[in-house]
Order: sequence, then structure tokens, then C-alpha cells
Amino acid sequence: KAGVTQTPRYLIKTRGQQVTLSCSPISGHRSVSWYQQTPGQGLQFLFEYFSETQRNKGNFPGRFSGRQFSNSRSEMNVSTLELGDSALYLCASSTSGDSQETQYFGPGTRLLVL
Amino acid sequence: GQNIDQPTEMTATEGAIVQINCTYQTSGFNGLFWYQQHAGEAPTFLSYNVLDGLEEKGRFSSFLSRSKGYSYLLLKELQMKDSASYLCAVKKAGNNRKLIWGLGTSLAVNP
Repeated sequence: KAGVTQTPRYLIKTRGQQVTLSCSPISGHRSVSWYQQTPGQGLQFLFEYFSETQRNKGNFPGRFSGRQFSNSRSEMNVSTLELGDSALYLCASSTSGDSQETQYFGPGTRLLVL
Repeated sequence: GQNIDQPTEMTATEGAIVQINCTYQTSGFNGLFWYQQHAGEAPTFLSYNVLDGLEEKGRFSSFLSRSKGYSYLLLKELQMKDSASYLCAVKKAGNNRKLIWGLGTSLAVNP
């Protein structure tokens, strides 16, 4: 099976712009979670989608949003970018998101906001 | 509150054994994951502990004590390729499915 894929891998934006990141989960996986990773804060949970519904949400401002399509592919959007949004954005998929399941991570999108 | 603590950095020698500790304080507990992340790459799953005790998987073992809020990852016969960041993550109980992540321990294996 192909692994989790994320596009683009690298992105440079300026403050105030908006960005959309894409994640394709492993075939058959219906749960997709998004994380922000920075050196100082580590992995911070953004949100989780299952069957096109946001099932769980972290403590990020409303500028961060996401959605999931019927084929389980997911996108996240960040509007009005700030310098502090520079980070590695990781998505992870699992079969159903149940507590004992392993999450499989994609390679991430590295976002730099100038 | 919720808190996960790991040492920031560790150094070890090729062929040696290293133990990476993780302590946690969370409201509800449903298991603990260890992931490995090489620089510039995605985290990859190493182990998942729910019950107390040691689980061995090749050169890597993971231990959990729920009563002490403590886990460790034991790496034996260290190889240069084991140089990476090791992330500890706690799965909370209940409907809240999100993982709480430690900041990771950066392990450097020297020849």
C-alpha cells in the first residue's frame, strides 16, 4: 500500500496570505489528523476528521480550518498567515481513529512565512 | 493539567544501550506511544503500551508503569541509524481521541 502523501512538501508565503495543504491517507484509512510541529512546541494537535466530519479539535485559532472529502483525502487551510505559523505540518491517518490504533504519518509540508 | 516530560537531548555510543524516559500527567489515560523521527522525516511508529510492563520488539523495548505515570524506551545494540528524535505520546481516555505529545528526545549515536 502507498503511504500517506502530502502536498506540497515545501511552501513559502508572506504574512497575510492564505495557504491550503493537502493530505491523502493510506487506502482504506478513514481518519485523518493534522498536527503542527515546531522546535519549541513539539507536535501540536490541530484537528481530526472522520467520514467528512471534524471529530476533534485542538486549541488553535479559527484561522486554521480543514475539511475531508468523500475519498478521505483532507485539506487544511490557514488564513491570514502570521510569522509564527512557520512550521512543519504533518497529517496522520488511521483506519478509524480508535484509541488503540497506530497513526501513520505523511512526510509533512514545511511552511515558511516571511 | 496535561504534561509530558522527556529529556531534550541524549548521547550514546554505537553498540551501547540507552534508556529514554517519559513521565506524564494527564486527565485520563488510554495508552502510550513511542515514535521515532529522523531529521526532516515523518514520525514512524515504534511501540504502544496500555498495560504495565515491558514489551520487547527486537532491539527496542518499551516499559510502562501506569501508577507512576512513567514509561521508557530502551534501545539496545545502538546503531548510527538510531540517531533521531524519539517522541512519547499519551492517548487520553474517553471520546477525546487526540494524542498529547512530548517535545521529543534527540538522540545522537556516536561511533
